[in-house]
Amino acid sequence: EVQLVEAGGGLVQPGGSLRLSCAASGFTFSSCVMTWVRQAPGKGLEWVSTISAGGGSTYYADSVKGRFTVSRDNSKNTLHLQMNSLRAEDTAVYYCAKRSGVHGYMDVWGKGTTVTVSS
Amino acid sequence: EIVLTQSPATLSLSPGERATLSCRASQSVTSYLAWYQQKPGQAPRLLIYAASNRATGIPARFSGSGSGTDFTLTISSLEPEDFAVYYCQQRSNWPLTFGGGTKVEIK
Repeated sequence: EVQLVEAGGGLVQPGGSLRLSCAASGFTFSSCVMTWVRQAPGKGLEWVSTISAGGGSTYYADSVKGRFTVSRDNSKNTLHLQMNSLRAEDTAVYYCAKRSGVHGYMDVWGKGTTVTVSS
Repeated sequence: EIVLTQSPATLSLSPGERATLSCRASQSVTSYLAWYQQKPGQAPRLLIYAASNRATGIPARFSGSGSGTDFTLTISSLEPEDFAVYYCQQRSNWPLTFGGGTKVEIK
C-alpha cells in the first residue's frame, strides 16, 4: 500500500524551530518529487515547498523562504521540513504529498501533522 | 503568482442534483490544472488532473473541463459522500497555487 506518514508536529513558541518528517512506503520514493502543503485552521490549502527526486532542486513559497528547508533521505525513504524562526501564521496542518510520475499532480497525501506556534 | 479564483464559495444542493464549480486563473495555465476534494479532518484527494482526466478510482460522475483561464468541475448527480470542499490547483508556474475552495453543502 502506498503510504505517507507525517510526524514531528507540536506546540512551539514564536521564533522557535521544529523539524517535520514524512515516512514513505509502498512506492519508489527516490524516483518521486515530493511536496509539503499546509492548511491553517479553517483556511484553504497553501503550497509550502517542493523537492526534486534526487534532492538537488528545491522550491519554496515566498512566505517561508529563508526560514524553512526541505530535504530528503532516499536511503531511508524520508522527507523532512526544517522550520526555523516560526511565526504564529505558520500554525497549520502540514501535509506531505507525492507527485505522480505519470501526470505530475499530487496523487498521494499523508494525513498531516499539526504545528501550533504560540506563546 | 497565478491567482486561482473559485466560485461560488458555497454551493447548497440536494443529493441527486448537478453541481457545477468554477475556477478562474489570473493568467493562462493551459491545461495544468487539478481538482481536489477534501472532507473534514481528512487530507485532500486528487479527483481530476490535467483539467479533464479522472484520477485512479474516481467515479465517472466527476468530470472536468476547460483550458487557459476558465475551468469547471461538474458532479453530475450528487451522492451523500460528495458533500465536501473542492479546491483547484495549478502547476503551470511556480509558485504552485490553490484556489480558495468551494464548499458543497447539503441543502
